[in-house]
Amino acid sequence: EVQLVQSGAEVKKPGESLKISCEASGYSFTSYWIGWVRQMPGKGLEWMGIVYPGDSDTRYRSSFQGQVTISADKSISTAYLQWSSLKASDTAIYYCARRPPGFYGFDIWGQGTTVTVSS
Amino acid sequence: DIVLTQSPGTLSLSPGERATLSCRASQRVSSSYLAWYHQKPGQAPRLLIYGASTRAPGIPDRFSGSGSGTDFTLTISRLEPEDFAVYYCQHYGSSLYTFGQGTKLEI
Repeated sequence: EVQLVQSGAEVKKPGESLKISCEASGYSFTSYWIGWVRQMPGKGLEWMGIVYPGDSDTRYRSSFQGQVTISADKSISTAYLQWSSLKASDTAIYYCARRPPGFYGFDIWGQGTTVTVSS
Repeated sequence: DIVLTQSPGTLSLSPGERATLSCRASQRVSSSYLAWYHQKPGQAPRLLIYGASTRAPGIPDRFSGSGSGTDFTLTISRLEPEDFAVYYCQHYGSSLYTFGQGTKLEI
């Protein structure tokens, strides 16, 4: 079964660092892009960035460039989203999602990771 | 950047009725790069339509997509109780992925 399994919910304080994960299984991890999507409380979907695990090619939405780091470790079929210094405004659900080659939507989604940043 | 505007913001219908959801792009886009998703409360989004009109695997044929240029439509021919959710269109272009703000389909 093709699936993306994300790490569990996190509660952090402002200024702390965080790295959340997205483990892929059931397909060739290096052949598909993995994107990250933010959903703030009660709001819609925002694409943050995307990584191609085959060569670690990474793209970011301009508003997230420098705010987060997206990476992938193909040896363990896992993609990551990390922050060096969290803000309260980073409180959201974060989804990873797979984008097949030659296809411009996201066909498989992780279950989401809830990140709460509060003092 | 392309902006996707969905309408209406909320659509109130009953099971068995037909739903028509709109997604308008701020400039002409390729239909190959237009997708639709729905998201039920507490769940991740699910891909419904890609390439503007192709149903994703496992999606019932009551869902159909159409459109070109700047205007795209998702139609649900006969609403089932499980179809009440929030619907998003999404576009890819110039290495950017953009979502519309969503249409809430409610009973």
